[in-house]
Amino acid sequence: GNSVTQMEGPVTLSEEAFLTINCTYTATGYPSLFWYVQYPGEGLQLLLKATKADDKGSNKGFEATYRKETTSFHLEKGSVQVSDSAVYFCALRGEYGNKLVFGAGTILRVKS
Amino acid sequence: GAGVSQSPRYKVAKRGQDVALRCDPISGHVSLFWYQQALGQGPEFLTYFQNEAQLDKSGLPSDRFFAERPEGSVSTLKIQRTQQEDSAVYLCASSTIDRWNEQFFGPGTRLTVL
Repeated sequence: GNSVTQMEGPVTLSEEAFLTINCTYTATGYPSLFWYVQYPGEGLQLLLKATKADDKGSNKGFEATYRKETTSFHLEKGSVQVSDSAVYFCALRGEYGNKLVFGAGTILRVKS
Repeated sequence: GAGVSQSPRYKVAKRGQDVALRCDPISGHVSLFWYQQALGQGPEFLTYFQNEAQLDKSGLPSDRFFAERPEGSVSTLKIQRTQQEDSAVYLCASSTIDRWNEQFFGPGTRLTVL
C-alpha cells in the first residue's frame, strides 16, 4: 500500500537558519504530494502541493520538489522564523484515490 | 462559519460508553473525510463520503465505528463500546469536487477513554 516516511524530530534551529525536512514515499502510479502544517492550538493547514513529477510547490517561503526518481518531496526554507515553529506533515494522495496518507509528522522548533 | 467545525472539541468517556462526534463541513463541499490521529502520529484515514454516499470505509478499525451523513452535509462519527485504544484526535476534512485535491481540516475532537 501507499506510505510516507519523514524524518524524525524534533528539529531545533536558530532563527534565519536553513531548513530541510526529508520526506520519501511509496506509491504505485503517480500520486499527488502535499505538505501540511499544524501550528500550536490550530488545525491542519495545507502548506503546499505538487501533482506531477518535477513540479515545485511553494508557499510562505517554503518549497518542495516532486522527485519521482528518488520518490522524495523534501521541504525546504532558506531562512526560518520563530513563527514557523509547528508540526509539519508530508502526505500523499494516490493516483486513483481520494484519501490522504500521512507521515508521522516532524516537530520544528525555531529559537530566537 | 468559513471553516470546518467539529463538536465537541474534547470528550472524556468511560470504557464501554458510546460516543458521537459531529462534523460541519464547509458549505457546499461535496466530499467529507474522517481521520484518526493518535498521539505523536500522523492522521490515518477512516472513511469518505461523497454527498450522502459513504464511498470508502476501509479505514474504520472495527464494527464499533460507524459514520453517517444522511443529508449530505453534517456528518456524525459514532463509536460504540469505547475502548482505551480509541483515545485519539478525530479529524474531519471537506473538499469540493472541482478542487478535490485540497482538503480543509477542522480543529478535531480529542477523545479520551478512561
